[in-house]
Amino acid sequence: GESVGLHLPTLSVQEGDNSIINCAYSNSASDYFIWYKQESGKGPQFIIDIRSNMDKRQGQRVTVLLNKTVKHLSLQIAATQPGDSAVYFCAERTNTGNQFYFGTGTSLTVIP
Amino acid sequence: NAGVMQNPRHLVRRRGQEARLRCSPMKGHSHVYWYRQLPEEGLKFMVYLQKENIIDESGMPKERFSAEFPKEGPSILRIQQVVRGDSAAYFCASSPAGGREQFFGPGTRLTVL
Repeated sequence: GESVGLHLPTLSVQEGDNSIINCAYSNSASDYFIWYKQESGKGPQFIIDIRSNMDKRQGQRVTVLLNKTVKHLSLQIAATQPGDSAVYFCAERTNTGNQFYFGTGTSLTVIP
Repeated sequence: NAGVMQNPRHLVRRRGQEARLRCSPMKGHSHVYWYRQLPEEGLKFMVYLQKENIIDESGMPKERFSAEFPKEGPSILRIQQVVRGDSAAYFCASSPAGGREQFFGPGTRLTVL
């Protein structure tokens, strides 16, 4: 399954399938990006980060891809599990700023 | 090592009252950030503080909102004369000096009646 930012804020996938969550960021000066996972009633939880001098970074079951040309970021979750159900946010920060700018988020639902 | 602590977790106020939200950063972290989240929206930056200094308050409403991070004790986000539009989840994050990643607390959910 695949979602594209604001146009498809919800994504449903079958357990065991791979998930792809996309994010378009706004500022070409952004040089650091984080994907956060937020479960209902909780604060955002760090998943994976990437700096602008990289185009791919892998973690445990997650991969982040960065395409600076089109200002696009994606999060791939392999073998999606019910515990992955949450809202996922991408956050960007510029090389001169202190704050993170968060996207609207994509709600991922994993169907057992 | 305890994470970022926020209290209270839930706060109910009537219009016109004051709300005080507290944030204790992770041990060893000297930078604190406050964000506001409306239902089904992303987090919006409010203010960035270091001990005894406000570094960036570009996201803070000009009136009724203030923040501090004293030398001793937690960071405080203060909202005076609350209105219903202030109802939201308020998250605090902390980072060490020179750190890039921000670690978030569980948030305070403010409800204004």
